[in-house]
Amino acid sequence: KQEVTQIPAALSVPEGENLVLNCSFTDSAIYNLQWFRQDPGKGLTSLLLIQSSQREQTSGRLNASLDKSSGRSTLYIAASQPGDSATYLCAVYGATNKLIFGTGTLLAVQP
Amino acid sequence: GAVVSQHPSRVICKSGTSVKIECRSLDFQATTMFWYRQFPKQSLMLMATSNEGSKATYEQGVEKDKFLINHASLTLSTLTVTSAHPEDSSFYICSAWTGETSRGYTFGSGTRLTVV
Repeated sequence: KQEVTQIPAALSVPEGENLVLNCSFTDSAIYNLQWFRQDPGKGLTSLLLIQSSQREQTSGRLNASLDKSSGRSTLYIAASQPGDSATYLCAVYGATNKLIFGTGTLLAVQP
Repeated sequence: GAVVSQHPSRVICKSGTSVKIECRSLDFQATTMFWYRQFPKQSLMLMATSNEGSKATYEQGVEKDKFLINHASLTLSTLTVTSAHPEDSSFYICSAWTGETSRGYTFGSGTRLTVV
């Protein structure tokens, strides 16, 4: 059974810092991995999608990497801003044809 | 980009009544739609998977008679919470997928259900 874990559960940083969020999954047989952002009481916004054959994806200040063999992904946020404050979720899609979510990281960027 | 519209965003209903939540893919056809439930400060829990024109597949522990899912077209899926009780109060989110692994999932904005 696929299990997805995110570390840390919560993170508080001052504005301007670079930071890394971690995601690990137990079954490496995945088709893709997706990072989402969720603001309080809102739905999910897709940030980056990495296919199993890819090593990383970049969008603006965000960079996501994938090491499928070790079951790990990281989301790097450069020059963090207060507007980046949200919960970040990673999710993997695999042979079960289901999108399995991680436990989430609550990020607070202090101005 | 792909857009999924979910309505209503917020609903309050009396215990014992039924509530219907709609999920529409606005600019693409969704072969599969997913319904998730989220408790406060927790991650998303998959409730069921629905494919257009066929019966939904429910996850273990989810009552299919309480949570009725209909996927009548490639752009519309509905979740009906029947005979709602206060413990059904939660945040429900739908997701739509084209069926292509090269394209990710698109989520609706969620529905906050409060049963009083």
